Order: sequence, then C-alpha cells, then structure tokens
Amino acid sequence: AQSVTQPDIHITVSEGASLELRCNYSYGATPYLFWYVQSPGQGLQLLLKYFSGDTLVQGIKGFEAEFKRSQSSFNLRKPSVHWSDAAEYFCAVGAEQAGTALIFGKGTTLSVSS
Amino acid sequence: DGGITQSPKYLFRKEGQNVTLSCEQNLNHDAMYWYRQDPGQGLRLIYYSQIVNDFQKGDIAEGYSVSREKKESFPLTVTSAQKNPTAFYLCASTIGGSTGNTIYFGEGSWLTVV
Repeated sequence: AQSVTQPDIHITVSEGASLELRCNYSYGATPYLFWYVQSPGQGLQLLLKYFSGDTLVQGIKGFEAEFKRSQSSFNLRKPSVHWSDAAEYFCAVGAEQAGTALIFGKGTTLSVSS
Repeated sequence: DGGITQSPKYLFRKEGQNVTLSCEQNLNHDAMYWYRQDPGQGLRLIYYSQIVNDFQKGDIAEGYSVSREKKESFPLTVTSAQKNPTAFYLCASTIGGSTGNTIYFGEGSWLTVV
C-alpha cells in the first residue's frame, strides 16, 4: 500500500540550530515527493519538490531536502531555524501519471524556542 | 490576484443538516481536490476532479458529495450522513496533466457541528 510516514509528531528546536524533519514513503512507482508547510488555520504552501535528477533539492525559505532511494526517505533540512519557521510540515508523495492525487503524511509540528 | 477562494471560513451546522462549502479558483486549473484535515491525521482526500463534469472518490468520500459544473468551481456538500463532520476542509487545484505540477491550496474552511 502507498503511504507516507513522518515519524516525529512534534519537534522543538532552538532558534539558530539546525533542523531535520524525517519522511519515509512506500510507493510502487517512481515517486514524486513534496514538502509543504502550514501555518495555524491556513492552507498549505509548497516548500520544495523532487521528481528526478539531483537528489538534493533546494526550496524556498532556505529549506532543502535529500532523496535517498535506498532508504525510501525524503528528509527536510534547514541549517539555521528562525522563529518564523514554527509551523506544521507535511511530506507528500504522488505518481507521475495524471489522474492521481497526492498522499500526505500526518505532519510534524515544529516549535522554535528562543 | 490569482488564487483559490474558499468560503465560508467558519461555519456552524446543526446535526442533521447538509452544508455546502464553496471553492472557486481563477488559475485556469483543470484539476481540483477536497481534503479533510483532523488534528494528528494529516490530510485525507475526499474527492477530486480532473475535468469538468467528472470526479472521483477519494479515501473518505462517504457522507460527502461534489459537483464540477464549471472549471473554476468545485463545491463540497457535507451531508447529514457524515458522522463526524467537524473538521478543517481544504480545497486545492493544479493545472493537471501530471502529478508533478504544483498543487495550490485555499485558506481552508472550519466546519463545526453543534
């Protein structure tokens, strides 16, 4: 079955510290992978996406993610976290073929301490 | 500005009543989606539509209905058959053709059953 697992429900990071949010997927086909961010009570905003090519992708707001096929992972990283990064983060996977919808993980809530 | 507009932002419904959530987009996108979000559950797909006058059930379609009479509109009706309708509902759209195209989200609608 296709699925996305975000093992960490809640993470707290000090401002200025580095961040890594984990994402593991189970998908039969070549996956398209995404990271979205959601502020409380708002819609989702795309941070970055991976289809093929370079396994390290850069996104907005200083985020990056690395695709590791052998580990079925697509972890999100940021070298230095800012207080404004506090939000909920969702990993999602989809297939290349048209007509399919994304499958989302359950999300990781990031808190930033001063 | 182009975007996705969901209305109302907050809605209260009495048990046994149907309610319709509006979703309008002016992005000229072919595909539209409805997701339901509950705390700790991530996003779950209710219905999606790839073209006008056609739509498919998602993972949790029971108790919901949709229509796609116009390209820019994809309203969701929460019927009295939905046992636990209190949730945050997100509408999304994409240009279609490939899962790789970015999905854009509306700001969401909060539905509370009282």
